[in-house]
Amino acid sequence: DAGITQSPRHKVTETGTPVTLRCHQTENHRYMYWYRQDPGHGLRLIHYSYGVKDTDKGEVSDGYSVSRSKTEDFLLTLESATSSQTSVYFCAISGTGFTGELFFGEGSRLTVL
Amino acid sequence: DQQVKQNSPSLSVQEGRISILNCDYTNSMFDYFLWYKKYPAEGPTFLISISSIKDKNEDGRFTVFLNKSAKHLSLHIVPSQPGDSAVYFCAASANGQNFVFGPGTRLSVLP
Repeated sequence: DAGITQSPRHKVTETGTPVTLRCHQTENHRYMYWYRQDPGHGLRLIHYSYGVKDTDKGEVSDGYSVSRSKTEDFLLTLESATSSQTSVYFCAISGTGFTGELFFGEGSRLTVL
Repeated sequence: DQQVKQNSPSLSVQEGRISILNCDYTNSMFDYFLWYKKYPAEGPTFLISISSIKDKNEDGRFTVFLNKSAKHLSLHIVPSQPGDSAVYFCAASANGQNFVFGPGTRLSVLP
């Protein structure tokens, strides 16, 4: 199994509070991604990183920011959580970008009340 | 408008029989396709992929077929086993760009 750890695995928070999800990898892969999974939508890309301090937006990036100060860590921040951000968030890593398979973490379930 | 569609939200198959999961796409630029399997409370795991230069790729019990003219791919699982019960996602990318995932099909393999 790819060494990917997400934390926290579960979080309940209130509207308007900031939330940070952490993804940690031990594979030294260059590419890291944050997806959200919602019923009827599959997985949608929020942000991704192609190296330390190099990040780019995905298709559903509004309301989210990311940071990658080390190869192994990729943080997803919701500056002011809204109920529409209730979802399951998956981190993924890849050594080859979008030309090869992605390895996913176990997910972080976020509930915004 | 969804670029990758999996029109069957669920599918039930008897153990030992063939499971066929379908995926349709609208973007003719897609050139790389993958299937992922997902169990509850776990992350998706890679199953099999196919490039647009092929029309078939096989890996053990899993075969993916690609029909570019119809913009259609299918995943065949033969024989189906109870452990195959999961949600299956189809994904596609164009020219090394972001993967677009379908909404998933829940497969139930009945003993």
